[in-house]
Amino acid sequence: AQKVTQAQTEISVVEKEDVTLDCVYETRDTTYYLFWYKQPPSGELVFLIRRNSFDEQNEISGRYSWNFQKSTSSFNFTITASQVVDSAVYFCALRFRSGGGADGLTFGKGTHLIIQP
Amino acid sequence: KAGVTQTPRYLIKTRGQQVTLSCSPISGHRSVSWYQQTPGQGLQFLFEYFSETQRNKGNFPGRFSGRQFSNSRSEMNVSTLELGDSALYLCASSWTQGQGSGYTFGSGTRLTVV
Repeated sequence: AQKVTQAQTEISVVEKEDVTLDCVYETRDTTYYLFWYKQPPSGELVFLIRRNSFDEQNEISGRYSWNFQKSTSSFNFTITASQVVDSAVYFCALRFRSGGGADGLTFGKGTHLIIQP
Repeated sequence: KAGVTQTPRYLIKTRGQQVTLSCSPISGHRSVSWYQQTPGQGLQFLFEYFSETQRNKGNFPGRFSGRQFSNSRSEMNVSTLELGDSALYLCASSWTQGQGSGYTFGSGTRLTVV
């Protein structure tokens, strides 16, 4: 069975602070894919990044960066110089690859990020 | 390019009734998957369709069913509604089925069962 744990239920920071959202996953598969999604109050899940298990390079996209470490089964997400518009619920998700076709995404419980002005 | 469209946006039903939710994927996307989101259970996978066939199914009772049409549009049906079925139902589409396909989600249908 696979599992995604986002231990931080809610984080509140003041605008312009850096913030890191933690994600720890469990899977027995050697090939798998990790995702981060953002869910604003409107409800839609907005795709942020996909990373496969073979690619451990960290990625930076503007103020966003991701640190993938297979040794600790973690895929953490950092927002630099946070802004009020970053306020949302962030989900980490895991999808594995199987011979007969992959299963759906397994999501963590989400981290509610509040950026105060 | 239009995104994933889910209708209706909001729905109120009475316990025991049935409901049908609709999802139109991004043009060209052939895979559609459904998720249920509740405060208690979070986001849970319901099922995934590709080329009009259900390929994967999550751990939900048989009251939850779905189908996909030749134009890739999908519908989800819940029969004999229970109070616990109140949730946000999200649909996601992707180019292909399975593996590392990127998923684009719709805004969801918020179902309230009274």
